[in-house]
Amino acid sequence: EAGVTQSPTHLIKTRGQQATLRCSPISGHTSVYWYQQALGLGLQFLLWYDEGEERNRGNFPPRFSGRQFPNYSSELNVNALELEDSALYLCASRKGQTLYNEQFFGPGTRLTVL
Amino acid sequence: ELKVEQNPLFLSMQEGKNYTIYCNYSTTSDRLYWYRQDPGKSLESLFVLLSNGAVKQEGRLMASLDTKARLSTLHITAAVHDLSATYFCAVVVTNKLIFGTGTLLAVQP
Repeated sequence: EAGVTQSPTHLIKTRGQQATLRCSPISGHTSVYWYQQALGLGLQFLLWYDEGEERNRGNFPPRFSGRQFPNYSSELNVNALELEDSALYLCASRKGQTLYNEQFFGPGTRLTVL
Repeated sequence: ELKVEQNPLFLSMQEGKNYTIYCNYSTTSDRLYWYRQDPGKSLESLFVLLSNGAVKQEGRLMASLDTKARLSTLHITAAVHDLSATYFCAVVVTNKLIFGTGTLLAVQP
């Protein structure tokens, strides 16, 4: 069974640009989560999508947005990039909405903002 | 405010010695995860602790959960260099994971 995949592996942008990160969940998983791991800030919850709907978001500004497609894959968009957006962005997928199903993490996208 | 705190933040260990990482959390949760992260890599799930008193062991690592004290421990027995990594605990709160601050483990020969 294939795991969670993310693309691209690395992304370099300049301040003010937009970045789009992609995530494909494990087959059969309907929930997709996004987490940000910035240097010195630890791992922080960003967004949760399930069945195409945004279910929850963390304490991030509106320029962080995303969507989930009918095939359950997901995009994370970051507009008006700032230097502090440089981070490892991790996607995780989970089967259904059940609280107790484990999340499985992808390899991450390293975003560098210059 | 939800907080998940780990200590120590950094642990320099000698091979063959035993050590413990502590994870305290400030909100009710009956599910706690431990993850390992190698530099520049994603998270590898180590343990899922489901209930009070749960204990799980895999190789040189053993994790336990005390939900009443809101405390989990990750015990390392006879450390080896391969265990060098960053370890995170995380609790499930309203369908999302809240991560601890992480503990960087460096095992010295």
